[in-house]
Amino acid sequence: LAKTTQPISMDSYEGQEVNITCSHNNIATNDYITWYQQFPSQGPRFIIQGYKTKVTNEVASLFIPADRKSSTLSLPRVSLSDTAVYYCLVGDMGNNDMRFGAGTRLTVKP
Amino acid sequence: DTAVSQTPKYLVTQMGNDKSIKCEQNLGHDTMYWYKQDSKKFLKIMFSYNNKELIINETVPNRFSPKSPDKAHLNLHINSLELGDSAVYFCASTLGQGGRETQYFGPGTRLLVL
Repeated sequence: LAKTTQPISMDSYEGQEVNITCSHNNIATNDYITWYQQFPSQGPRFIIQGYKTKVTNEVASLFIPADRKSSTLSLPRVSLSDTAVYYCLVGDMGNNDMRFGAGTRLTVKP
Repeated sequence: DTAVSQTPKYLVTQMGNDKSIKCEQNLGHDTMYWYKQDSKKFLKIMFSYNNKELIINETVPNRFSPKSPDKAHLNLHINSLELGDSAVYFCASTLGQGGRETQYFGPGTRLLVL
């Protein structure tokens, strides 16, 4: 069962790049790495997913080293509206093996 | 159009009561889930259904009983509510079951047991 470890909280300022790292030392071969964002009083929302190397979309980038034991979500030039909890999720839903970690509470300050 | 909807949004009830939460998705997905998020924001999966069949049943009290009348609906019935059941319950859906599937979450149902 893949377990994830993330920082509990992070602070940043508007316009900065934010990097949130998730550790998943016992990631399995079939596991994907997915990040979700949750605003207060809302359900989590998909941000990005990857298996290895680097993935980029219009919202974020995901960096995964060769050993896949960690991953880093990168948010470029954050704004106040990026204040949320970010969850790293590792696993294979086909094996009923997907677990959310505790999440990282990102606070963006003006 | 709301992709995953839940009713009610808020539910306040007394201990010992029985209540139901409804979930509907209009995405044409085959798999639906119930999650519980406690006050510390931990998201824990409770149940998963694929094409109306139960595929995940985590260790939850048998007071919780999911029902899927069709693959677009997954309802959660809770008997004999307890104080510890107070939480936010999220419904989610995915197209299939693989590790690459993106979960689409509903807005949540905030349950408060007094």
